[in-house]
Amino acid sequence: DIQMTQSPSSLSASVGDRVTITCRASQGISNSLAWYQQIPGKAPKLLLYAASKLESGVPSRFSGRGSGPDYTLTISSLQPEDFATYYCQQYYSPPPTFGPGTKVDI
Amino acid sequence: EVQLVESGGGLVQPGGSLRLSCAASGFTFSSYAMSWVRQAPGKGLEWVSGISGSGGSTYYADSVKGRFTISRDNSKNTLYLQVNALRADDTAVYYCAKKGLGGSGSYSLDYWGQGTLVTVSS
Repeated sequence: DIQMTQSPSSLSASVGDRVTITCRASQGISNSLAWYQQIPGKAPKLLLYAASKLESGVPSRFSGRGSGPDYTLTISSLQPEDFATYYCQQYYSPPPTFGPGTKVDI
Repeated sequence: EVQLVESGGGLVQPGGSLRLSCAASGFTFSSYAMSWVRQAPGKGLEWVSGISGSGGSTYYADSVKGRFTISRDNSKNTLYLQVNALRADDTAVYYCAKKGLGGSGSYSLDYWGQGTLVTVSS
């Protein structure tokens, strides 16, 4: 199975900050990577797929990039509703696997 | 509007069984693979099982293989997960989710239900 890691595991930020989260796969995954946002008590929500493609309805302050095994999620200007936990997921090879999550709080 | 509504969770003793259901609406259910993903209290996300649109292909995480069975009834737009031989470490919120981008056995998940809680305890 492909193992996913994320860093940092948590971070503290303020409204308006630029935030970057890193995700690394145990092997190259050819941009087969999704990012999800989970607010406590809610279901995860898809933000990006194919590493950099924004899901419909997701604000443009979210962006993704990367290649091979290394990927990043960037929030250009953190908003109050962005305080949540973020997960990456590879779907290059079954079984699909998730990173451990990055909690973004104040 | 895509909607996924899970049901069937509850408190069960170790070794017990449950059948989880996920009622889908707002899309052509039979055209999409579906998955179950779980989240233990305070923990991350774990993919559990997936099924093709026709139901002819199924996939399982090693942690549940032989104990859980995924199925679907396309006439009822409903996904199921039969969970048997439950253990304490199966305690989690179980989400159903719809296939987004990707292949048959591994894909992104573009819509999620609200989840149903399974608690395994004596």
